[in-house]
Amino acid sequence: GESVGLHLPTLSVQEGDNSIINCAYSNSASDYFIWYKQESGKGPQFIIDIRSNMDKRQGQRVTVLLNKTVKHLSLQIAATQPGDSAVYFCAENTNAGKSTFGDGTTLTVKP
Amino acid sequence: NAGVTQTPKFRILKIGQSMTLQCTQDMNHNYMYWYRQDPGMGLKLIYYSVGAGITDKGEVPNGYNVSRSTTEDFPLRLELAAPSQTSVYFCASSEYYEQYFGPGTRLTVT
Repeated sequence: GESVGLHLPTLSVQEGDNSIINCAYSNSASDYFIWYKQESGKGPQFIIDIRSNMDKRQGQRVTVLLNKTVKHLSLQIAATQPGDSAVYFCAENTNAGKSTFGDGTTLTVKP
Repeated sequence: NAGVTQTPKFRILKIGQSMTLQCTQDMNHNYMYWYRQDPGMGLKLIYYSVGAGITDKGEVPNGYNVSRSTTEDFPLRLELAAPSQTSVYFCASSEYYEQYFGPGTRLTVT
């Protein structure tokens, strides 16, 4: 549902630990999902994607898990670094050209 | 490719003034979008376009207007600026699912 007026949830981790960022999506017909990273003062940038016919996809230090039964996505970041500090958004898609963005999570990495 | 460019980077407007935020992409993408992001908050879709000559309202269109006369350009017009329009504005484009964002315009209305 909509969370108008709510500030982004936050996650604080120690450098070197693994991070898990969660996202609940709303449309069971969504068939393509993307995680974006937004560094301070910049626009969001693509990190990793996953199609609905997969339940796991790995990139460099990042893994996305998809659970369609409970409409849940997670982004796992291995060996979190200070450069990973950012806001992370998930986006769900049913058609090309129209994404629905989640509320975002602020990740802070403590040295 | 420059990707998505936005001008200006910063702007201060007085209440009641008008301005146009410029957005240009050089990737020949059909889809273009305008979002606003208030401090510490998520992205809210203002308007989007599926191609030249076609635009549609997003979640928060009131107080804004757009046009799309070319594939490359998607300007956002603010008429009669209000303090509630103080925000960071992002333009984005896409060919399919992945959206490419510009660096943003930080607007303050006082």
